[in-house]
Amino acid sequence: GQQVMQIPQYQHVQEGEDFTTYCNSSTTLSNIQWYKQRPGGHPVFLIQLVKSGEVKKQKRLTFQFGEAKKNSSLHITATQTTDVGTYFCAGYSGAGSYQLTFGKGTKLSVIP
Amino acid sequence: DGGITQSPKYLFRKEGQNVTLSCEQNLNHDAMYWYRQDPGQGLRLIYYSQIVNDFQKGDIAEGYSVSREKKESFPLTVTSAQKNPTAFYLCASSAGVVSPLHFGNGTRLTVT
Repeated sequence: GQQVMQIPQYQHVQEGEDFTTYCNSSTTLSNIQWYKQRPGGHPVFLIQLVKSGEVKKQKRLTFQFGEAKKNSSLHITATQTTDVGTYFCAGYSGAGSYQLTFGKGTKLSVIP
Repeated sequence: DGGITQSPKYLFRKEGQNVTLSCEQNLNHDAMYWYRQDPGQGLRLIYYSQIVNDFQKGDIAEGYSVSREKKESFPLTVTSAQKNPTAFYLCASSAGVVSPLHFGNGTRLTVT
């Protein structure tokens, strides 16, 4: 079945440093979604990427979808304590599959 | 405010008992999902439903059952056949099968 790998599992950064998490799929994805889960909370949708090579920005967050539509990344510039949480990527393989497969997430800690 | 309501927030049961987790949405979404979250495991799909009176098994359906008699409701029953039921259970809905997910606040189930 489809697998979505996400690295790193944990990341500790000093406030103000940049942060990147990477997502790789075993199969080509029709789209990829990113979610953020704050400690003790539930996942909240951040963004969806659909096109090959697509890049989208939300303030300090930059999301990329690879040319082959098998990988994606989330980059946060100048992290803040409000960025703390676990970031998940999730992808649909398409081809009649309606299952959204989640990566295991990257847990970000920001040291003030 | 539209959203997804899961109840209760915490649930305690003795081993061997069936337990039903509630999920209600007023977003008028067609699709609903149940995910299980364990530490370091990400989110794993238990069941999903694209339309009333129809549902499909996800990756870890064994020991669980669902019903979808109304568009707004998608209850999950954790049966005594589930070997390791203690986990955080998240219900979600989406407007369409590849649309972003909206999650409820989750139910933390502890079985002893």
